[in-house]
Amino acid sequence: DIVMTQSPDSLAVSLGERATINCKSSQSVLSNSDNQNYLGWFQQKPGQPPKLLMYWASTRESGVPDRFSGSGSGTDFTLTISSLQAEDVAVYYCQQYYSSPLTFGPGTKVDVK
Amino acid sequence: EVQLVESGGGLVQPGGSLRLSCAASGFTFSGHSMNWVRQAPGKGLEWVSYISGSSNIEYADSVRGRFTISRDSVKNSLYLQMDSLRAEDTAVYYCARGTGSASYLFDYWGQGTLVTVSS
Repeated sequence: DIVMTQSPDSLAVSLGERATINCKSSQSVLSNSDNQNYLGWFQQKPGQPPKLLMYWASTRESGVPDRFSGSGSGTDFTLTISSLQAEDVAVYYCQQYYSSPLTFGPGTKVDVK
Repeated sequence: EVQLVESGGGLVQPGGSLRLSCAASGFTFSGHSMNWVRQAPGKGLEWVSYISGSSNIEYADSVRGRFTISRDSVKNSLYLQMDSLRAEDTAVYYCARGTGSASYLFDYWGQGTLVTVSS
């Protein structure tokens, strides 16, 4: 099984400042066949289901603000919120969809300082 | 508009059974894989089961042999039959659609249904 880890567990950032979340997989999720990283990011606000933000590690889902960006390859990935807004307060999860069983990171809680 | 609406959750005793349903609309149901993902109270996300459009099936180790996923393309519905329930199965259960380009990636989620296993 591919184990996903995230850091930090939580962070508090001032409005307008940058938030950075790291995700690491225990095995590479980069496919040799299509050169894609099978890594997604989800945002979950209290009382709501998760929402897909990013896929292929760095492709923004339709409608997601461009202050969200994803980077990384292989086993190390980053989600960056360039200028934190109040509505970005949430828990963020990474997920590998390279192989079954599908696995999520433990989540990173983002709050306003 | 894509909609996924779960139902069937509730309180059940350990060892009991429950059947969850997910009604899908707004897309060609048979063209997408479907999944169940759960979230224990205050915890993270755990994938439970997957079924492709052609009914290939996969399970997490934690539920294999106890849970059965199925789909009905006439009714545009996804199901999860849960038997031999344990306290650790207590969670909100979400159905989630697989994308067209990557069937293991979830692009739409329902609001979830709460399953509580307790005596």
